[in-house]
Amino acid sequence: DAGITQSPRHKVTETGTPVTLRCHQTENHRYMYWYRQDPGHGLRLIHYSYGVKDTDKGEVSDGYSVSRSKTEDFLLTLESATSSQTSVYFCAISEGTKEAFFGQGTRLTVV
Amino acid sequence: AQSVTQLGSHVSVSEGALVLLRCNYSSSVPPYLFWYVQYPNQGLQLLLKYTSAATLVKGINGFEAEFKKSETSFHLTKPSAHMSDAAEYFCAVSGGTGGFKTIFGAGTRLFVKA
Repeated sequence: DAGITQSPRHKVTETGTPVTLRCHQTENHRYMYWYRQDPGHGLRLIHYSYGVKDTDKGEVSDGYSVSRSKTEDFLLTLESATSSQTSVYFCAISEGTKEAFFGQGTRLTVV
Repeated sequence: AQSVTQLGSHVSVSEGALVLLRCNYSSSVPPYLFWYVQYPNQGLQLLLKYTSAATLVKGINGFEAEFKKSETSFHLTKPSAHMSDAAEYFCAVSGGTGGFKTIFGAGTRLFVKA
């Protein structure tokens, strides 16, 4: 299995609080992604990174920010959590257009 | 923008029957295409991928998919369903007109009846 670790695996937080999810890889892949998975929507791309300090928005980026200060770490921050951000979040890594490898997911509940 | 459409959010088959999960993509340039499987409470695993070599691609667990450029399709099949195939399946695309990002379809949940 690709070395991808997401933390935390589960989190419950209150509306309006900031939340940071971490993705750590040991594969030295250039590209890293954050997706959210919701029933009926599949996986939707939130943000992605194509190198250290190089990030860009995906299709559902509002309310989220990311940072990548090291090749191995990609952080996703919910600036002020809302109930609509309750979801399962997946980190993925890849080398360009090759297949993506996924972490185990983080289940986030905003109450 | 590049997109992927999976026809049918739920598919139900009997054990031993043919499995057919449909996927169509939109891209003026042939992209790379993937099928992933997700078992409950797990991440996604790669089933198979098309990367412009053979148009018929064989994957794990007896699955295969055929790339048809004229139909912009990449349907997933398995001749004989097994109970362990019950899962959610995602078609995905990268490359083509969308760059390196991987874009996913909405998913198809496969139910297998005994």
